[in-house]
Amino acid sequence: DAKTTQPTSMDCAEGRAANLPCNHSTISGNEYVYWYRQIHSQGPQYIIHGLKNNETNEMASLIITEDRKSSTLILPHATLRDTAVYYCIVRVANRDDKIIFGKGTRLHILP
Amino acid sequence: SAVISQKPSRDICQRGTSLTIQCQVDSQVTMMFWYRQQPGQSLTLIATANQGSEATYESGFVIDKFPISRPNLTFSTLTVSNMSPEDSSIYLCSVDVTENTEAFFGQGTRLTVV
Repeated sequence: DAKTTQPTSMDCAEGRAANLPCNHSTISGNEYVYWYRQIHSQGPQYIIHGLKNNETNEMASLIITEDRKSSTLILPHATLRDTAVYYCIVRVANRDDKIIFGKGTRLHILP
Repeated sequence: SAVISQKPSRDICQRGTSLTIQCQVDSQVTMMFWYRQQPGQSLTLIATANQGSEATYESGFVIDKFPISRPNLTFSTLTVSNMSPEDSSIYLCSVDVTENTEAFFGQGTRLTVV
C-alpha cells in the first residue's frame, strides 16, 4: 500500500505558486520523498526528490518538515501546462526499489 | 536519463485474445517494472522483471494472466492473456538507470478490449 496521503484535487491560478501537500507519517529513516507528475495521456515524469533537506531544481522546490512526516511540493509560477496529477511517493533511493503509487493530487491551473 | 519505447502505443482487441506489449530501453538496466492504470485511476504495479530470472508479481496479479519475458538488459515484454473488457487499461513500463535514482516511464500502451 502507498505510504502517503494527498488531497484529491487542488486549484491554483496561473502565475501563482502551487503548493501541494503530502503526509507520510510512517516514513522510514532511509526513505526519500519523491514527486512525480502525470500529464494527461503521458507516462509519469520525475520532478524532484529529497531526504531531509529542502531541495530545489528547475522545475520545483521540495520542503520537508523537520520530523519528515510531511512535505510540500512548490511550483513557483504555475502555468496551464502544469495541470496534471501529482504523486508523492516514499521509497528507498535504490534503483531496484519498486515505486508504489497512491492516488495523487489532481492539480488544475486556472487561467 | 533513459529513453523508453513502448509498442504498440494503443490497440483495440477482441475478448479472449492476447496482446504482447514491448518495452525497449536505450541503456542497460537491472530491473524493469510493469504497471497498469485503469481509467481514472492511479498506477498499480503488476510485476518486477529482472533479467535472467522469473518476474516477481504483486498481489492480485498472476503469471498465467500476465506472462513477462526479460531476455536481456534492455528489453521486456508483458502479455495480457485471454483478455476481457476489464483489462482495458493503460499499461506502462518503467526503469531505473544506473546513475540516477529516479525512475523513468514509457508513454504507455492504451488497450481497449471489446
